[in-house]
Amino acid sequence: DIQMTQSPSSLSASVGDTVTITCRASQDIGNWLAWYQQKPEKAPKSLIYAVSSLQSGVPSRFSGSGSGTDFTLTISSLQPEDFATYYCQHYNTYPFTFGPGTKVDIK
Amino acid sequence: QVQLVQSGAEVKKPGSSVMVSCKASGGTFTNYAITWVRQAPGQGPEWMGRIIPMLDVVNYAQKFKGRLTITTDESTSTVYLELSSLRSEDTAVYYCARDPGVITADAIDIWGRGTMVTVSS
Repeated sequence: DIQMTQSPSSLSASVGDTVTITCRASQDIGNWLAWYQQKPEKAPKSLIYAVSSLQSGVPSRFSGSGSGTDFTLTISSLQPEDFATYYCQHYNTYPFTFGPGTKVDIK
Repeated sequence: QVQLVQSGAEVKKPGSSVMVSCKASGGTFTNYAITWVRQAPGQGPEWMGRIIPMLDVVNYAQKFKGRLTITTDESTSTVYLELSSLRSEDTAVYYCARDPGVITADAIDIWGRGTMVTVSS
């Protein structure tokens, strides 16, 4: 199975900051990577697919980059509603594993 | 806009089985795949399996093989998850989710609200 890791596991930031989260795959997954946002007691929300394409309705302050094994999610000008946990997931080969998550909280 | 409507919370005894349903409201599964993901309390999401209803193809995570069955009723646009031989570690929120990949997999775009399954004696 492909293992996904994320760093950091948590971070504190202020409104207006730019935040970068890293996701690494244990082997080459090409561009088959997605990012999700989850708030407490809520279902995940889909943010990004194919490394850098935004799902419908996702604000442009979210962006993704990378290829192969190393990927990043960047949130520019952090907004109050962005404080949440973020997960990456690959969909290259079964099983489509998720990363352990990065919690973004208020400094 | 399609919504995925899941069945209600369940409380089960160890060793029993649970079935969770996921119905497409406002659309069908015809050109989509449905994935089941679970999330134990305080943990990250865990991919369980994926079905492509129009091809009747199912893939399961090795961890669940033999205990997990994913089926579909296209006449009602409903997908089912059945997990057997339940143990306390199966206590989790179970989500169904849609992705538009049929020939090749794609990222999830729509999530159900989740179904809490509690396994307790």
